[in-house]
Amino acid sequence: DGGITQSPKYLFRKEGQNVTLSCEQNLNHDAMYWYRQDPGQGLRLIYYSQIVNDFQKGDIAEGYSVSREKKESFPLTVTSAQKNPTAFYLCASGTGVDGREQYFGPGTRLTVT
Amino acid sequence: SQKIEQNSEALNIQEGKTATLTCNYTNYSPAYLQWYRQDPGRGPVFLLLIRENEKEKRKERLKVTFDTTLKQSLFHITASQPADSATYLCAPNNAGNMLTFGGGTRLMVKP
Repeated sequence: DGGITQSPKYLFRKEGQNVTLSCEQNLNHDAMYWYRQDPGQGLRLIYYSQIVNDFQKGDIAEGYSVSREKKESFPLTVTSAQKNPTAFYLCASGTGVDGREQYFGPGTRLTVT
Repeated sequence: SQKIEQNSEALNIQEGKTATLTCNYTNYSPAYLQWYRQDPGRGPVFLLLIRENEKEKRKERLKVTFDTTLKQSLFHITASQPADSATYLCAPNNAGNMLTFGGGTRLMVKP
């Protein structure tokens, strides 16, 4: 069954803790993306990677870090430096390096208290 | 600054009618524009991509137009069904070839 998986679906953390969100794809896509979505708002790009061992900051990268050691995996770490980490996090992948036709995972809802 | 505007108010229509959603953008010239569907608590699903040199694109009951002079895209669903109820996001690509998503318009189709 091909697609993108994100785990867990719901995640709860205490303020001050780093947390890593998982994203795996078996679509053989080169490009992968992380977005954040807040209630009633559009998606905002956090980081993206167009090839293994390379990634670029998006519009709101502060307080986040990523790695791309394997083509299939693009984990996102939400650090304690992120001031408002509670949000819905979406991972996506795509064949084109220009952002077209992205396939999204089911998302992880992170709550930090 | 670059801005994408979608009607934040929900669009309520009767089953069988045509739904028309609007996406306006300012301060940039996208080479293409995409539309996605998002159901509550789920990731968006890609629907259609239209390029700047295309006026119109169709896929089954969906039709998208792209007017680069007006800086506007219209998204139409003909013969709408309750199953079409969802939030629809438009996403023009920006200068860095990454997507910028609008806030989406929620469509409610009543039986």
